[in-house]
Amino acid sequence: DVKVTQSSRYLVKRTGEKVFLECVQDMDHENMFWYRQDPGLGLRLIYFSYDVKMKEKGDIPEGYSVSREKKERFSLILESASTNQTSMYLCASSSHGTSYEQYFGPGTRLTVT
Amino acid sequence: GENVEQHPSTLSVQEGDSAVIKCTYSDSASNYFPWYKQELGKRPQLIIDIRSNVGEKKDQRIAVTLNKTAKHFSLHITETQPEDSAVYFCAAIIQGAQKLVFGQGTRLTINP
Repeated sequence: DVKVTQSSRYLVKRTGEKVFLECVQDMDHENMFWYRQDPGLGLRLIYFSYDVKMKEKGDIPEGYSVSREKKERFSLILESASTNQTSMYLCASSSHGTSYEQYFGPGTRLTVT
Repeated sequence: GENVEQHPSTLSVQEGDSAVIKCTYSDSASNYFPWYKQELGKRPQLIIDIRSNVGEKKDQRIAVTLNKTAKHFSLHITETQPEDSAVYFCAAIIQGAQKLVFGQGTRLTINP
């Protein structure tokens, strides 16, 4: 079974703090993704990576950065957390080619106060 | 780029009835259309998908239809059961790309 794990299920941070969210997958997938999920807005792509050290901006990259130093690990960084970044963050992975199926992590609910 | 619109945003049906969720996409180069189900407090999981060379696909009580000319696809759930209550997301991907574009989601509630 594909397993995608995220470092925290719940996180509470203060405005201005630097926040790290980590995602690990064990299926040797090339692609990894970070989404933000808000009610009524669906799954919005923040960043994705199709290889180690490679990254591409998604639809809402402002205020976020990412790091992928190892194939199995993809980190999302909030340089200076703000209250409008309070949300559910979902990581996903998929393999290259035509399978396209994305496997999601359990999510991190981040609250910025 | 690709844009996916999903309707309705909420849907409530009686147990045993059918439910239909519809999505439209903008880019005719899209060739893969999955549906994900997210139960309360859980992660989204793929339940069915269809490729552009197929018009319909069934898996027990769920089916997906694709109309390439009109650029829309639909999820059909028959004989609904309480465990079908969840948020459903449609998505599309352009051939050669690696990222899915998701619709806004539909919250389906099955009333006993």
